[in-house]
Amino acid sequence: DNVLPQSPTTMAASPGEKVTITCHASSSGIYMNWHQQKSGTSPKLWIYDTSKLASGVPDRFSGSGSGTSYSLTINTMETEDAATYYCQQCCSTPLTFGSGTKLEIK
Amino acid sequence: EVQLVESGGGLVQPGRSLKLSCLASGFTFSNYGMNWIRQAPGKGLEWVASISSSSSYIYYADTVKGRFTISRDNAKNTLYLQMTSLRSEDTALYYCARHGTSSYNNYFDYWGQGVMVTVSS
Repeated sequence: DNVLPQSPTTMAASPGEKVTITCHASSSGIYMNWHQQKSGTSPKLWIYDTSKLASGVPDRFSGSGSGTSYSLTINTMETEDAATYYCQQCCSTPLTFGSGTKLEIK
Repeated sequence: EVQLVESGGGLVQPGRSLKLSCLASGFTFSNYGMNWIRQAPGKGLEWVASISSSSSYIYYADTVKGRFTISRDNAKNTLYLQMTSLRSEDTALYYCARHGTSSYNNYFDYWGQGVMVTVSS
């Protein structure tokens, strides 16, 4: 089953709270990408090359990681950030996604 | 503005075939690799297949290899997915997605709205 483990599976955060989502890659030394999907809509590229923000993504978001552990961080949670976030590792097929983290507003 | 519009989905019986299309606009289609990604109802994302800009390189997930065929027509700005021997587990929303511009990282920078495929008798 080619699904990358993500944690937590679900979480709720209050406005202004710091949020960190973690993804475990299947191999080291890769680039990690993140996609945001809001309910009933298509995914959107959110972070690529591990730490680069896609166009239009607020700078309260950041990405980091190395080895096999990668994370997406929201410095101060806002209502509009409620969504499911999927990590996706690069480099060789199969192009694998994470299991998803559903982030809700508290 | 980049737009990817999928079509061709619907209800199909197990074992039958279906062909999806994705019409691209707002960019030079022939310069980009393209992908199909699916999402079963209430589930996560699953990469299905990729094709390079000139169709020289094609890759499939093991779950669809031998049953699905990805192709493209650069003159028509259209990506295709021919699906045969369909199974109930192929039921999903199928997204067309553009490959990001990187020689070292495979990512999807634009996604279509998706087209639903339901496999059921």
